[in-house]
Amino acid sequence: DAGVIQSPRHEVTEMGQEVTLRCKPISGHNSLFWYRQTMMRGLELLIYFNNNVPIDDSGMPEDRFSAKMPNASFSTLKIQPSEPRDSAVYFCASSLQGFVGEQYFGPGTRLTVT
Amino acid sequence: EDQVTQSPEALRLQEGESSSLNCSYTVSGLRGLFWYRQDPGKGPEFLFTLYSAGEEKEKERLKATLTKKESFLHITAPKPEDSATYLCAVTGNQFYFGTGTSLTVIP
Repeated sequence: DAGVIQSPRHEVTEMGQEVTLRCKPISGHNSLFWYRQTMMRGLELLIYFNNNVPIDDSGMPEDRFSAKMPNASFSTLKIQPSEPRDSAVYFCASSLQGFVGEQYFGPGTRLTVT
Repeated sequence: EDQVTQSPEALRLQEGESSSLNCSYTVSGLRGLFWYRQDPGKGPEFLFTLYSAGEEKEKERLKATLTKKESFLHITAPKPEDSATYLCAVTGNQFYFGTGTSLTVIP
């Protein structure tokens, strides 16, 4: 298996623009997570899906952030409109057992909002 | 309030100099404690899961232990390739990552 796949790997955009990050989890995994990592705040959980259903989105910082999982092999994280403080590395991870199982992380998307 | 604290923030070791990293937690109903390794520019990589106090797991030069209040990641005779950030995460009613310990092993 290729592991968790994320695209793009790098994204530079201007404030106010819409940004869409993409993730393909490991085949067979039923849980998917989106994280944001910054030097100041470390690794923060944004949202957790189980069987394509959002279970916990309490970490989504604002209404500007939204996430979808239309099927078991694809998820998106959208920021609209983007702001400079959204600059961070965004990781997607998947697991077989939700929070109780080990999570496999993608390589991340480095987002820079100018 | 649930909390996960890792110490030290940074650690520099000479090659072969054994040491331990600490992960202290206050979590209601611990369901699992995880250790991950993160290399620069990459996503975290799973190392270990511990579920109950007294449990231990080993992998090469790494050994993870768990008590009711903390976990230790022991590194025996480290090599430069062990340099990375080591992250602890806990699952109780919520899920939290610690802020990590940055380990540098000097040849």
